[in-house]
Formats: sequence, structure tokens, C-alpha cells
Amino acid sequence: QQPVQSPQAVILREGEDAVINCSSSKALYSVHWYRQKHGEAPVFLMILLKGGEQKGHDKISASFNEKKQQSSLYLTASQLSYSGTYFCGTDLTGGGNKLTFGTGTQLKVEL
Amino acid sequence: DTAVSQTPKYLVTQMGNDKSIKCEQNLGHDTMYWYKQDSKKFLKIMFSYNNKELIINETVPNRFSPKSPDKAHLNLHINSLELGDSAVYFCASGIGLADEQFFGPGTRLTVL
Repeated sequence: QQPVQSPQAVILREGEDAVINCSSSKALYSVHWYRQKHGEAPVFLMILLKGGEQKGHDKISASFNEKKQQSSLYLTASQLSYSGTYFCGTDLTGGGNKLTFGTGTQLKVEL
Repeated sequence: DTAVSQTPKYLVTQMGNDKSIKCEQNLGHDTMYWYKQDSKKFLKIMFSYNNKELIINETVPNRFSPKSPDKAHLNLHINSLELGDSAVYFCASGIGLADEQFFGPGTRLTVL
């Protein structure tokens, strides 16, 4: 039931773009994206809800394909500060209090 | 002001001991969570509380006992610690799953 993320790891040069994907085998009510820097706590990036509503930071963009149970996070014009591990979390019910986090994608941005 | 705080930040102990981790949030949220992140960075929910009531217990061994004295606090007590309990434990709080969760700084537990 754990969502699968791809790629597992990616290295970018500053200014390059990247896409991180999250795929579930079950129907999703919402998808949540978090970034975790080494030694720190996960920090919220975005929520994508069934029906199209999105909540999150203006500089982050993402998509949610409800039919395919997939979400993608788009990182454009990457900066050094984007480095970290990105997690998607999925909510299957919409009525509960449980997020199942994905396998994580390690992103490193270099000069 | 710290939104979600945890104590201690580091905990090193011997197998078989009992230990507690404390969590407090000053955001006024009704829902609090405990997550375990293992050495492979797999982040898994353990418990969820809403307004002091247990909502989710993710088949965690009963050696783990959460307690919520009020909706701003959620503590985690662990009995008879095992090597496999070594991990980083994160407390988090939120309004609900239609909104963001705020994570505490984490407690790194090492069982020797």
C-alpha cells in the first residue's frame, strides 16, 4: 500500500528542472508532498485533493491524476536549497487521519 | 516560538529499558501524530490522536503506549526497548488531512 516514488535519486545542476512521480495501487483521496533536509524534520510543500483543489506554496507546482492514482511534483529552475528527500503521502479515505508515505526521492542540486 | 517541540532530541539507552518521549504543540491543532523513520528513511505513521482520543494505531507493538493528557500534548512511552526500536521518532500536529502537518524536530533513539 506504500506509494512508489520515482526516480529514487536525482542530481541536478542549479537552474535545471526535475519531476518527481508518486504512484499508488489504490484510489486516492489526496496526495501530500513534503521535503526533508538531512537531519531535519519533513516540511510541507503541497496538498492535492480529489476534485482538483490544491493547497501549498506558490513556488511549487504539482499535478494529481485521480484516474491513474498518480501525482507529480515539478521543480523548476532548481536552487541549492531544493536539495533534500522528497516524500509523497497518500490518503486513501479522506475521512481518516492516516498518511502513508512513499519511498522517497533524494534530490541533490549542485552548482 | 516553536510550533511543535519534542524532548529529548537524542536518547541512547540499553535494551530492555523503558523510555519516554514528550511532544507539545502550540498551534491549537486538534490532531497529533507519532511517526517512526527508520535508517532507510522510511516514514511510517504509528499513532494518531484527535482531541485526546486515539484514532489510529498502526499495528504497533503494545510496548509502545501513547498518552495525550490534553490536546496540546502527545507523549510516547516505550517499554522493554529492543534493537529494532532504534529510529528517529517524529511528532506532528495538524488540523486534519485536508491541511498540512507540522513536524517536530524529531527524537533520535538509539538502543544498544
